[in-house]
Amino acid sequence: KAGVTQTPRYLIKTRGQQVTLSCSPISGHRSVSWYQQTPGQGLQFLFEYFSETQRNKGNFPGRFSGRQFSNSRSEMNVSTLELGDSALYLCASSLDPGTTHQETQYFGPGTRLLVL
Amino acid sequence: GQSLEQPSEVTAVEGAIVQINCTYQTSGFYGLSWYQQHDGGAPTFLSYNALDGLEETGRFSSFLSRSDSYGYLLLQELQMKDSASYFCAVRAINNAGNMLTFGGGTRLMVKP
Repeated sequence: KAGVTQTPRYLIKTRGQQVTLSCSPISGHRSVSWYQQTPGQGLQFLFEYFSETQRNKGNFPGRFSGRQFSNSRSEMNVSTLELGDSALYLCASSLDPGTTHQETQYFGPGTRLLVL
Repeated sequence: GQSLEQPSEVTAVEGAIVQINCTYQTSGFYGLSWYQQHDGGAPTFLSYNALDGLEETGRFSSFLSRSDSYGYLLLQELQMKDSASYFCAVRAINNAGNMLTFGGGTRLMVKP
């Protein structure tokens, strides 16, 4: 099976711009979660989607949003970019939320975003 | 809120055994997970403990004590390729459902 794929892998934006990142989960996985990883804050949960619905949300401002499509692919959007948004954005997929399968998260390679 | 504490760095020699501890404070605890991340790579799942006790998977074992809010990852017969960062994570309840919260990570350096 192909793993989790994320596009683009690298991105450079300037403050005030917006960005959309894409994630394709492992075939058959219906849950997709997004994380932000920075040296200072570590790995932080952004949100989780299942069946095109946001199930869980972390403590990030409303500038961070996401969605999931019927084929389980997911996108996340960050509007009005700030310098502090520079990070590695990781997507992870899992089988079914609310079960122990949820705990086995399969991560994609990430999108490295640099905001100038 | 929730918090996890783990050592920032551990050094060991090839062939040795190393234990990485993780203590947590959280609400609505479901279980403790461990992930490995090599530099420049994505985190990969290692183990999950929902109940007290030791889970063994090859050279890696993970332990949980719910009463002590404590767990550890034990790596045996260390190899150079085990040099990586190791994260503990708990699933906890917040006001928007539940979320996976990660510790700050332990950087393991294996020396020859």
